[in-house]
Amino acid sequence: KNEVEQSPQNLTAQEGEFITINCSYSVGISALHWLQQHPGGGIVSLFMLSSGKKKHGRLIATINIQEKHSSLHITASHPRDSAVYICAVGATMYSGGGADGLTFGKGTHLIIQP
Amino acid sequence: DGGITQSPKYLFRKEGQNVTLSCEQNLNHDAMYWYRQDPGQGLRLIYYSQIVNDFQKGDIAEGYSVSREKKESFPLTVTSAQKNPTAFYLCASSIASGSRYNEQFFGPGTRLTVL
Repeated sequence: KNEVEQSPQNLTAQEGEFITINCSYSVGISALHWLQQHPGGGIVSLFMLSSGKKKHGRLIATINIQEKHSSLHITASHPRDSAVYICAVGATMYSGGGADGLTFGKGTHLIIQP
Repeated sequence: DGGITQSPKYLFRKEGQNVTLSCEQNLNHDAMYWYRQDPGQGLRLIYYSQIVNDFQKGDIAEGYSVSREKKESFPLTVTSAQKNPTAFYLCASSIASGSRYNEQFFGPGTRLTVL
């Protein structure tokens, strides 16, 4: 079973700072997802990646398959970025035995202060 | 607008009662999922369905049941056999099964409290 570790668990920063959230996993994967959970509980998918780097606005996600590590960066952070950021990994092989869903990290609680 | 709806947002039930959580999607997705979220823990998979009339147990299926009679609907029943049912429940869907390559879309969640 894949173990997904995120760091830091909590992060408070000032508006404008460059933010990095890390995710490590233990078993080979085919895809890694970064998700954002708002205070009300709703979850939005930010990125899905299996190699390299993706960018969307001020968000950048990178993955290093060999090192089993991914990072989510936020440039020019803003208070509206305050949320829980969740890393989740998809299995390398579809086994059909309950492994079709994602394995989730516990999340990083980010607060951006004005 | 396409999306996933879950109802109700908050649900209170007495201990020992079964309760059914609703999940509907109009994204024409084949695969649907139920997750449970507890404080300080990552989301955990309860059940998933790849196609109508078929579903599979996830990591924590005990005390739960599901049905998939229609493509757009995947209701979850929390039975009295579930020892700690108080939690936040999230439904998700994807265009096809396999978390390898398919983005999952999440509903707003239902917070269940058992009194």
